[in-house]
Amino acid sequence: NAGVTQTPKFRVLKTGQSMTLLCAQDMNHEYMYWYRQDPGMGLRLIHYSVGEGTTAKGEVPDGYNVSRLKKQNFLLGLESAAPSQTSVYFCASSPDGDEQFFGPGTRLTVL
Amino acid sequence: GEDVEQSLFLSVREGDSSVINCTYTDSSSTYLYWYKQEPGAGLQLLTYIFSNMDMKQDQRLTVLLNKKDKHLSLRIADTQTGDSAIYFCAEYNYGQNFVFGPGTRLSVLP
Repeated sequence: NAGVTQTPKFRVLKTGQSMTLLCAQDMNHEYMYWYRQDPGMGLRLIHYSVGEGTTAKGEVPDGYNVSRLKKQNFLLGLESAAPSQTSVYFCASSPDGDEQFFGPGTRLTVL
Repeated sequence: GEDVEQSLFLSVREGDSSVINCTYTDSSSTYLYWYKQEPGAGLQLLTYIFSNMDMKQDQRLTVLLNKKDKHLSLRIADTQTGDSAIYFCAEYNYGQNFVFGPGTRLSVLP
């Protein structure tokens, strides 16, 4: 049981480039989440999904898109990266919303 | 909207008790959580408490909840260097999303 995995672990982008972060979970969880973590601000929810084929906006969705085509995967896309998107990104999954299991994080730097 | 607040830093000496405090604004919160984040890692659930409880003990961890004051605390007894990490308080209510605090960085001094 790998739990929640994220790829890549690190990435450096130039302003305007695009990329996709992949989150995968093997626990058959319905709910999946993408957060960003910035110093002194805790975790802020970007987008989430309550099941395969569904997505919803969180607290800070601008500049990001997501897709949940398969239950086990939740993709986070940046279409045109900006320096303000430099952050550590965490994916989490949950069986029914009340306990979250986190991935190890992706550290993204946008120059 | 909902807000969760924590002090950002705490230093204690090895062997002492640590108390990390958290305040929240949503009185309808169903669960309150403590997560631990070690350097370079994701968040791990430490413990949680239902909103109808006022205390929960789990080995060296004691969680106290004061619903009237919307105050949650995490006490770590006999703090060790391995307890150095960032501790996040979070609240959750059914049908809503988690709200995390900014995290308290605990430093354990020898």
